[in-house]
Amino acid sequence: DGGITQSPKYLFRKEGQNVTLSCEQNLNHDAMYWYRQDPGQGLRLIYYSQIVNDFQKGDIAEGYSVSREKKESFPLTVTSAQKNPTAFYLCASATGEVTQPQHFGDGTRLSIL
Amino acid sequence: GNSVTQMEGPVTLSEEAFLTINCTYTATGYPSLFWYVQYPGEGLQLLLKATKADDKGSNKGFEATYRKETTSFHLEKGSVQVSDSAVYFCALSRVSGSARQLTFGSGTQLTVLP
Repeated sequence: DGGITQSPKYLFRKEGQNVTLSCEQNLNHDAMYWYRQDPGQGLRLIYYSQIVNDFQKGDIAEGYSVSREKKESFPLTVTSAQKNPTAFYLCASATGEVTQPQHFGDGTRLSIL
Repeated sequence: GNSVTQMEGPVTLSEEAFLTINCTYTATGYPSLFWYVQYPGEGLQLLLKATKADDKGSNKGFEATYRKETTSFHLEKGSVQVSDSAVYFCALSRVSGSARQLTFGSGTQLTVLP
């Protein structure tokens, strides 16, 4: 079945450490997105990519970095510069057409040790 | 700019009750509108969508009509079940440069009691 796979499901970060969240899709979608969700909150856009080797900052990009070397993959690195990283991170992909929805993975929950 | 305002929760209903979750939007042009559902510990799943004025999206007994005159996309279900307990998000599509993005409401927590 086609879909989006995020890993790991749970992740713990130590002070000063960078961690990378994986996102892979086999839907042949051009566009991919990373969101942050805090308890009781909506989704905030971190980064997005419309094509391979290109990505753009979203609303809350500070302290995060991404790469898009392959169409299927869009990993997110939470750097030590992100002082409040504890949140639920969601990856999504889409065809890029305005009438088509985004498809979401099951998320990664990041916590601080 | 574009924005989505959702009815604040939490909402608690008894099984078989009627559900309405209000959603209004502000947008330029003609956005597409979506309702997503999120079950505990999971990602978002598309529930239904509407892409032009007066369209009605429907799925699993849920319905929403794209009302351009009132800039609304309220979610309704005639008889809720315990399994409908989840968080519901209203969203609109927007264009930023050449990119298609979603603007989300803050979500409405629904609990259905047996």
